[in-house]
Amino acid sequence: EAGVTQFPSHSVIEKGQTVTLRCDPISGHDNLYWYRRVMGKEIKFLLHFVKESKQDESGMPNNRFLAERTGGTYSTLKVQPAELEDSGVYFCASSQEVGQMSPLHFGNGTRLTVT
Amino acid sequence: AQSVTQLDSQVPVFEEAPVELRCNYSSSVSVYLFWYVQYPNQGLQLLLKYLSGSTLVKGINGFEAEFNKSQTSFHLRKPSVHISDTAEYFCAVSAPGGFKTIFGAGTRLFVKA
Repeated sequence: EAGVTQFPSHSVIEKGQTVTLRCDPISGHDNLYWYRRVMGKEIKFLLHFVKESKQDESGMPNNRFLAERTGGTYSTLKVQPAELEDSGVYFCASSQEVGQMSPLHFGNGTRLTVT
Repeated sequence: AQSVTQLDSQVPVFEEAPVELRCNYSSSVSVYLFWYVQYPNQGLQLLLKYLSGSTLVKGINGFEAEFNKSQTSFHLRKPSVHISDTAEYFCAVSAPGGFKTIFGAGTRLFVKA
């Protein structure tokens, strides 16, 4: 099966610009998660979709971040306007079962650099 | 709420030597515990998991971890490492009924010839 894919792999933008990250989960996985890792620190949870619904968005930093999952398939994470502190690696993960016994399948991440 | 502390940010070790990567967690409820590995330019992949039952769990590539509830630890071990084990390792915790997995800051394992 195809794994979780993320696009782009790298993005360099200027402060104030907009960037949209995309994640395609493993087919059939209803659960989709976004995580972010900043400057070698811990991988922080951003939000969780179950199909097209946001189950938990408690980790979203502020209202400059908008995540969508229309149709319950791929997801996008938009940052508008980007700030310097948004730089980091954004990971997407998916899992099949509801609940946290099921391990996460990760994409390779998008490295975002805001200059 | 849960949290995870990985006590070592970097661990250098010679090839064929044993290694232990330390992980402590904090939680007010019972937990599920995971170790993930990230090789360069790749995503994280599951190494092993503890859900219940035997406290010693075995994973891929010869790794194992032991759940110690009294010490709230879940240390990862390998008796003899290879150059190919060079990667970053993440300890993670989740809880029954919860919906998110909490990760530690990672430990970089460098295996030297």
